[in-house]
Amino acid sequence: QKEVEQNSGPLSVPEGAIASLNCTYSDRGSQSFFWYRQYSGKSPELIMFIYSNGDKEDGRFTAQLNKASQYVSLLIRDSQPSDSATYLCAVTLSGGYNKLIFGAGTRLAVHP
Amino acid sequence: ETGVTQSPTHLIKTRGQQVTLRCSSQSGHNTVSWYQQALGQGPQFIFQYYREEENGRGNFPPRFSGLQFPNYSSELNVNALELDDSALYLCASSLFGGARPEQYFGPGTRLTVT
Repeated sequence: QKEVEQNSGPLSVPEGAIASLNCTYSDRGSQSFFWYRQYSGKSPELIMFIYSNGDKEDGRFTAQLNKASQYVSLLIRDSQPSDSATYLCAVTLSGGYNKLIFGAGTRLAVHP
Repeated sequence: ETGVTQSPTHLIKTRGQQVTLRCSSQSGHNTVSWYQQALGQGPQFIFQYYREEENGRGNFPPRFSGLQFPNYSSELNVNALELDDSALYLCASSLFGGARPEQYFGPGTRLTVT
């Protein structure tokens, strides 16, 4: 079982819709949870991080964390074609150094 | 812009050669982590440097080594290059021991081994 799993996609949504990206993780010791956006040929860009159960909102983005279900999601409201990218979920474990463990990413395509 | 810089941007090497990649961390950060990202995959943790010492290592062989300097910049060295080492190499800057756990990535170095 992979430590962090994401659906590879592509997830295709129309412009203006809500895009929902999901991620599950296997280690219950996971402490912090991150969403990065990566455009083709570019490096990952941090969108949000969350470490407490519940929702965290930042502009059009909402991260949701459910530690009991080992599940974290990212909602993108009013999706725009410029949101088309690969979204990487990453977690860090408790204790020691904070190495990021990434999923393989979900490719999002927002069509006009 | 994260303030994290990497050089060079692209590099082509031959199998068996050695390569050095460089990273300058964001102002105020004291930790640099290195990741390898193969095509279509998420980044894989190589190692982390804090206080000029290796502070954790992923599942990479010893021919991957690094350094951190007093100004917190860092180098990644790879010896005896193999074809599978072709990837995007990313460094990430962070503040160890701080309240915020985020890591910010530089633009990456694309390494091609032929």
